[in-house]
Amino acid sequence: DIQMTQSPSSLSASVGDRVTITCRASQSIDTNLNWYQQKPGRAPNLLIYAASSLQSGVPSRFSGSGSGTDFTLTISSLQPEDFATYYCQQGYSTAYTFGQGTNLAIK
Amino acid sequence: EVQLSESEGGLLQPGGSLRLSCAASGFTFSDYTMNWVRQAPGKGLEWVSGISGSGVSTYYADSVRGRFTISRDNSKNTMDLQMNSLRVEDTAVYYCAKGRSGWSVRFDSWGQGTLVTVSS
Repeated sequence: DIQMTQSPSSLSASVGDRVTITCRASQSIDTNLNWYQQKPGRAPNLLIYAASSLQSGVPSRFSGSGSGTDFTLTISSLQPEDFATYYCQQGYSTAYTFGQGTNLAIK
Repeated sequence: EVQLSESEGGLLQPGGSLRLSCAASGFTFSDYTMNWVRQAPGKGLEWVSGISGSGVSTYYADSVRGRFTISRDNSKNTMDLQMNSLRVEDTAVYYCAKGRSGWSVRFDSWGQGTLVTVSS
């Protein structure tokens, strides 16, 4: 299986900050990388697919980049509702593995 | 509007069985691969199983292969997960998720989740 490693595992930031989360795949997955946001007690929500495509309805402050093995999720200006846990997921091959998650907390 | 709703989970003993169902509406069900994704308490997400739109192709994580069986009924817009030989480590919230392929396989709609607890 392809292993997905996110960093950092947690970070604290303030409203208005620019935040970047990274995800590394154990082998090349081209641009088959997706990002999700999950809030406590809720199902995950798809933010970015195919590394850089914004899912319909997701605010434009979210963006993604990368290809091959290294990817990033950037939030350009944090809003109060963005404090949550973020997961990357490879969509290249079954099993569709997820990263371990990045918990984004308020500083 | 896409809606996915899982059946109630429960408390099971190790070695027990449970059948989960997912009812779908708001889209042409047979056009989409459907999946189960689980999340152990306080842990991350784990893809469990997927089934093609026709139901012909099924996929499983190594952790459940041979114990879990996924199926679907396109006439009823439902998907099931038959879970046998349950283990303590199967304890999790189980989500059904609608799949999208092309430009990366992804899960673009999710149910609210249902808790399955395996404990003696």
